[in-house]
Amino acid sequence: KQEVTQIPAALSVPEGENLVLNCSFTDSAIYNLQWFRQDPGKGLTSLLLIQSSQREQTSGRLNASLDKSSGRSTLYIAASQPGDSATYLCAASNSGYSTLTFGKGTMLLVSP
Amino acid sequence: DAEITQSPRHKITETGRQVTLACHQTWNHNNMFWYRQDLGHGLRLIHYSYGVQDTNKGEVSDGYSVSRSNTEDLPLTLESAASSQTSVYFCASSVAGDGTDTQYFGPGTRLTVL
Repeated sequence: KQEVTQIPAALSVPEGENLVLNCSFTDSAIYNLQWFRQDPGKGLTSLLLIQSSQREQTSGRLNASLDKSSGRSTLYIAASQPGDSATYLCAASNSGYSTLTFGKGTMLLVSP
Repeated sequence: DAEITQSPRHKITETGRQVTLACHQTWNHNNMFWYRQDLGHGLRLIHYSYGVQDTNKGEVSDGYSVSRSNTEDLPLTLESAASSQTSVYFCASSVAGDGTDTQYFGPGTRLTVL
């Protein structure tokens, strides 16, 4: 059974810092890995999806990497802004049929 | 614009009552999913569907049921609500069944069972 862990559970940084969020998974036979953002009281918004054959994906100030052999993914946020404050979740898919196993998330607070 | 909606957004009910949460998407996605989100557990899959008349059990399906009679809707029914089912429920959809697609989430329904 796939298990996904995110460390740290919470992170507080000043505006402008570059930061890394970590995600680890126990079963390296993943199909893809996705990063989501969740604002308080809202649903999840997809940020990046990395296929198992890829090493990284980039969108604006966000860069996600995937290392299947070590069972790890990282989400890099450059030049953080207060608007980046949210909970970030990673989720792994172990088959071609779209079911996801989620981590518990990292709550990020970026202070002005 | 295409979207995914959930109703009601908030619901308070009593133990033992039947409750149905609605999910409607206008993207014409084949795949639809129901999750619950609880502190300390994160998001857990309840049921999912890959198309009309198809339903599958997820990790925490006991006490829940779904039916898929059309592409747009996947209602979630709690047969006899229990306090342990107090949670925030999210519906999601995706376009294809090959794992390369992104899931799109609704805004959630906060359910309280007294």
